[in-house]
Amino acid sequence: IQLTQSPSSLSASVGDRVTITCRASQGISNYLAWYQQKPGKAPKLLMYAASNLQIGVPSRFSGSGSGTDFTLTISSLQPEDFATYYCQQVNTYPLTFGGGTKVEIK
Amino acid sequence: EVQLVESGGGLVQPGGSLRLSCAASEFTFNDHYMDWVRQAPGKGLEWVGRTRNKANGYTTEYAASVKGRFTISRDESKNSLYLQMNSLKTEDTAVYFCARAWYSGAYYSDYWGQGTLVTVSS
Repeated sequence: IQLTQSPSSLSASVGDRVTITCRASQGISNYLAWYQQKPGKAPKLLMYAASNLQIGVPSRFSGSGSGTDFTLTISSLQPEDFATYYCQQVNTYPLTFGGGTKVEIK
Repeated sequence: EVQLVESGGGLVQPGGSLRLSCAASEFTFNDHYMDWVRQAPGKGLEWVGRTRNKANGYTTEYAASVKGRFTISRDESKNSLYLQMNSLKTEDTAVYFCARAWYSGAYYSDYWGQGTLVTVSS
């Protein structure tokens, strides 16, 4: 299953609302995760089952979608949110990641 | 606090072999599925493979790019996960992460190690 993320990069300011999309090449129900990765660090799980916030993740992050279309939204971008974001489907082996979305400072 | 610590990375020639280790602590290792994920320099994440837990017979799944060359195993007595990599290619150069897979309707990678760099070059 291919996952297509868009955009591949974006520039935004602190306080902006940011939306990242992930489209699956076939239906995956809600078996989708979102990860945040900062340079030189391991990925961090943000969302699981498309819309469930992982413990400890700020509530400004939210996820939605089912089937083939998913979104990750950051309601008010904070300085620590500048990073690369990846979606991952866990519905079917082999598991796959999207290509990533780099969120940069405007 | 859950900890995962990878080791064993390094420089290896094309066609060579390498075994990575991942030491796990502060959770019941044999209850969890475990994953290997890699990231080539400047590139995105690529899932490598998974081993299921004891209850599911420690069976494994692999990405097409490594199937037949890489083998995932685990030693419950040492709380350790392994990735045996044979017939290495230059395109296997990457940071390799181990991750714990946690169940919530499906298995999601909730804790990750810091990664170990594998460089395949002559």
